Amino acid sequence: LAKTTQPISMDSYEGQEVNITCSHNNIATNDYITWYQQFPSQGPRFIIQGYKTKVTNEVASLFIPADRKSSTLSLPRVSLSDTAVYYCLVVGGYQKVTFGIGTKLQVIP
Amino acid sequence: DTAVSQTPKYLVTQMGNDKSIKCEQNLGHDTMYWYKQDSKKFLKIMFSYNNKELIINETVPNRFSPKSPDKAHLNLHINSLELGDSAVYFCASSHAQGQETQYFGPGTRLLVL
Repeated sequence: LAKTTQPISMDSYEGQEVNITCSHNNIATNDYITWYQQFPSQGPRFIIQGYKTKVTNEVASLFIPADRKSSTLSLPRVSLSDTAVYYCLVVGGYQKVTFGIGTKLQVIP
Repeated sequence: DTAVSQTPKYLVTQMGNDKSIKCEQNLGHDTMYWYKQDSKKFLKIMFSYNNKELIINETVPNRFSPKSPDKAHLNLHINSLELGDSAVYFCASSHAQGQETQYFGPGTRLLVL
């Protein structure tokens, strides 16, 4: 089971780009990297998923280097409403999904 | 329409009581989950059901018993509630296990006094 390591917390000013890096040194060949977002008093919500290189959607970009031992979630021009906890997960096959503590992002006006 | 719903949203009860939390999903998913998020915000999986069959049963006390009457429902019954059971319980569903996106319910905030 691939374990992930990410910063416990980050602060950013509104309008800045935020990059959250996650380490997953033991990622397996058939594992995907998935990020979820959780607002206070709500359940986690899927943001983005990728296997390699770069994935972009309307919310974020996900950068995965060739060795796949880490990944970076990039949030462009954050606003106050992006204040949330961001979870990095490595998932694949029928293994259980482990969320961990996540990164608490605080956006400052 | 709510995709994954849970009832009740809040539950306050005394130690030793038995309580149930209900979960329903209208997404047509085959897999459903129960997670516990404690006061430190650590989100841990408890159970996973696929097509009404138990797939994952993490190390939780056997006071916790999930029941899946059909693919769209996964209820959680808790016997002899303890103070340490106080947490937020999230239900989730997905098409299948593995890398499939999970859709979470709003959570049930359980407080045991």
